[in-house]
Amino acid sequence: RKEVEQDPGPFNVPEGATVAFNCTYSNSASQSFFWYRQDCRKEPKLLMSVYSSGNEDGRFTAQLNRASQYISLLIRDSKLSDSATYLCVVNGGSYIPTFGRGTSLIVHP
Amino acid sequence: SAVISQKPSRDICQRGTSLTIQCQVDSQVTMMFWYRQQPGQSLTLIATANQGSEATYESGFVIDKFPISRPNLTFSTLTVSNMSPEDSSIYLCSAKEAANSPLHFGNGTRLTVT
Repeated sequence: RKEVEQDPGPFNVPEGATVAFNCTYSNSASQSFFWYRQDCRKEPKLLMSVYSSGNEDGRFTAQLNRASQYISLLIRDSKLSDSATYLCVVNGGSYIPTFGRGTSLIVHP
Repeated sequence: SAVISQKPSRDICQRGTSLTIQCQVDSQVTMMFWYRQQPGQSLTLIATANQGSEATYESGFVIDKFPISRPNLTFSTLTVSNMSPEDSSIYLCSAKEAANSPLHFGNGTRLTVT
């Protein structure tokens, strides 16, 4: 089993839709969790950290379920500019970040 | 958050040669890492660059092929040695201020080996 797993998609949604991505991780000792966004031919950029209590940043909501070892990202009211690859990142017990393979999102008019 | 400058941003090299990529962070950071990302793939960790000592390599990566230096808390280099076309990829430097901090990236080096 891979350490961090994501559905690669692509998720193809119309503008205004709500879309959710999930990510599962295998190391129960994992300490911290993040979602990154990567645009084509660019480096990944931090979208948001993920906390056990859940956190929201505008149209984006991230949640962590430690018992089931998954994290999620919800995007509401999708914009064309949200089209990108979303990477789940988990800091393991040694604090070394491990990346999921990414979920591709395409938002169309 | 730390700002990371990486250079060169791209290069085209002949097989058998070596390329050194430089990574400069604008503040002292606890951890620095080198990743590789091949087209359509996610990021693969090459090694953790340890300040003042040998890097810690992941499975499948060795020091002879990817020597890494980290002389201080703000600078690291990755050399891709004796290159072959299979080394064509994007190489990314990254760093974080503390163990549980998020990772920040340089803008990557796009390497093509002919």
